[in-house]
Amino acid sequence: DGGITQSPKYLFRKEGQNVTLSCEQNLNHDAMYWYRQDPGQGLRLIYYSQIVNDFQKGDIAEGYSVSREKKESFPLTVTSAQKNPTAFYLCASSPQGGASPDTQYFGPGTRLTVL
Amino acid sequence: AQSVSQHNHHVILSEAASLELGCNYSYGGTVNLFWYVQYPGQHLQLLLKYFSGDPLVKGIKGFEAEFIKSKFSFNLRKPSVQWSDTAEYFCAVVIGGYQKVTFGTGTKLQVIP
Repeated sequence: DGGITQSPKYLFRKEGQNVTLSCEQNLNHDAMYWYRQDPGQGLRLIYYSQIVNDFQKGDIAEGYSVSREKKESFPLTVTSAQKNPTAFYLCASSPQGGASPDTQYFGPGTRLTVL
Repeated sequence: AQSVSQHNHHVILSEAASLELGCNYSYGGTVNLFWYVQYPGQHLQLLLKYFSGDPLVKGIKGFEAEFIKSKFSFNLRKPSVQWSDTAEYFCAVVIGGYQKVTFGTGTKLQVIP
């Protein structure tokens, strides 16, 4: 059963702590993306990766970091430098890494709350 | 930088009414255009897409969208909505040859039975 999994579904963090959100895909897609979804602001791109060991900053990368050591995995770390981390985080993948992305396939999301 | 505007933030319709959701983008070159839908409690998923060819594209569940290059628009339409169409709809744009996908702010559609 192919798809994208994100874990955990809900995550609570204390201020000043780093936290890592997991994203795994078994679709054999080259490209992967992280978005942040806030009410009334749509989806904003945090980071994207077209290929293993390569990633690019999106529009709101400050306070976040990623790695792409395996094709299947694209974890996102929300650092203590992120000023407003409470949000819904969506991971996506797309089959085309070298050219413009085609359809993106989304995971179920992780809701992060900073206490 | 490219931007995408969805002017309708919240739309309420009765069942069987016609739907048109606006999407405008700010880039004058080649673009790839998408509409995604997020049903309550479900993953965001593709409704339809336009890359080239016939500017009127048809998607799942009776939705269609028309690309009008001169108006920089890609409006989503459905002749008769159903209660099950209640969801949030997002327009997305990719500048040809680039990797970044830019999403609009979304439109919440509520269909009243």
